[in-house]
Amino acid sequence: EAQVTQNPRYLITVTGKKLTVTCSQNMNHEYMSWYRQDPGLGLRQIYYSMNVEVTDKGDVPEGYKVSRKEKRNFPLILESPSPNQTSLYFCASSPVQGLNTEAFFGQGTRLTVV
Amino acid sequence: QKEVEQNSGPLSVPEGAIASLNCTYSDRVSQSFFWYRQYSGKSPELIMSIYSNGDKEDGRFTAQLNKASQYVSLLIRDSQPSDSATYLCAVFSNYQLIWGAGTKLIIKP
Repeated sequence: EAQVTQNPRYLITVTGKKLTVTCSQNMNHEYMSWYRQDPGLGLRQIYYSMNVEVTDKGDVPEGYKVSRKEKRNFPLILESPSPNQTSLYFCASSPVQGLNTEAFFGQGTRLTVV
Repeated sequence: QKEVEQNSGPLSVPEGAIASLNCTYSDRVSQSFFWYRQYSGKSPELIMSIYSNGDKEDGRFTAQLNKASQYVSLLIRDSQPSDSATYLCAVFSNYQLIWGAGTKLIIKP
């Protein structure tokens, strides 16, 4: 089954404790991205990757890191999480960021930083 | 700053009626336009995509695009309670999808 898999689905952590949210897709998509979703603000892009070893900042990259060592995986790293990073996070992939691209989303990760 | 604006709602529509959702965008060179549906706590799923001016119909859904007015809409005919969700408008521009905050739609039985 074609899918984007995020782990964990729920995470409660403390301020400053490094964490990684994993994202993996089995559709051989070149383009992957991370979003956060907060009430009233919609989806905001954190980072995106056009292909292996190619990453770029989205609209809200501060406090986050990503890597793209393999085509299928695109982990999101919070080196020192803070309470303002409490949010719902989505990973998404697309076959190519072209005119008629559909974004396929993971199930979401609800992160709480206390 | 590229923006996509939607009325946050909630928009309440009787079952069987037409629901009309609207979206405006700021970037004139935007190329592709999408409507996603998101149930509470779930991930967004694509409902419709539209690329040229005019209407595009798919079952009970019709997307309308007016590039001159920078306006895109989604009509849902014969609304069902299962259509109750938040509808997100997304605009593709310069290798990014820019998202609206979404309109919450409630279909009343």
